[in-house]
Amino acid sequence: NAGVTQTPKFRVLKTGQSMTLLCAQDMNHEYMYWYRQDPGMGLRLIHYSVGEGTTAKGEVPDGYNVSRLKKQNFLLGLESAAPSQTSVYFCASSYETGDEQYFGPGTRLTVT
Amino acid sequence: GEDVEQSLFLSVREGDSSVINCTYTDSSSTYLYWYKQEPGAGLQLLTYIFSNMDMKQDQRLTVLLNKKDKHLSLRIADTQTGDSAIYFCAACGGSYIPTFGRGTSLIVHP
Repeated sequence: NAGVTQTPKFRVLKTGQSMTLLCAQDMNHEYMYWYRQDPGMGLRLIHYSVGEGTTAKGEVPDGYNVSRLKKQNFLLGLESAAPSQTSVYFCASSYETGDEQYFGPGTRLTVT
Repeated sequence: GEDVEQSLFLSVREGDSSVINCTYTDSSSTYLYWYKQEPGAGLQLLTYIFSNMDMKQDQRLTVLLNKKDKHLSLRIADTQTGDSAIYFCAACGGSYIPTFGRGTSLIVHP
């Protein structure tokens, strides 16, 4: 099993550009999450999904959109990137709520 | 919502014990976790404890839970340089979505 994979690993965007981060898991997990990690801020939840076709807002959802069209994939979109979105983005999944979360390796995004 | 606090840095000498502390606010938190993040990697679950337990031991790791004070600690015995990492406390309260602390950077000196 590959576990949780994220593409791309690194990306540099100019302000105003758009992009989509892809998260895939092969563990048949129902729950998927997107976090951002910033120095001194820990992990902050952006959006999450409790199953195929569902999404919900987390702590810091503004400027991001998500989709979960297939159970194994969770996409995070930035429609108009801003320098404040420079961060490391982590995807995670879990079988049930409250269960151990399995994390991907992260995507380092820089917006100039 | 849930708030999870932990100190940002801890420095110890190799062979000593490390104790990382965490406090949380939601008294209904059922699951409490410790995750480890090594440089350039995602988080991995180290250990966890249910709210009906006071202590859990797993080899060099001991987790203590004080529900009254909403305080969680992680003790690493015989700390090694390979234990240098960021350690995150997480609590799962009424929303059943875990809230993470800011992470404690553990630095182990030879």
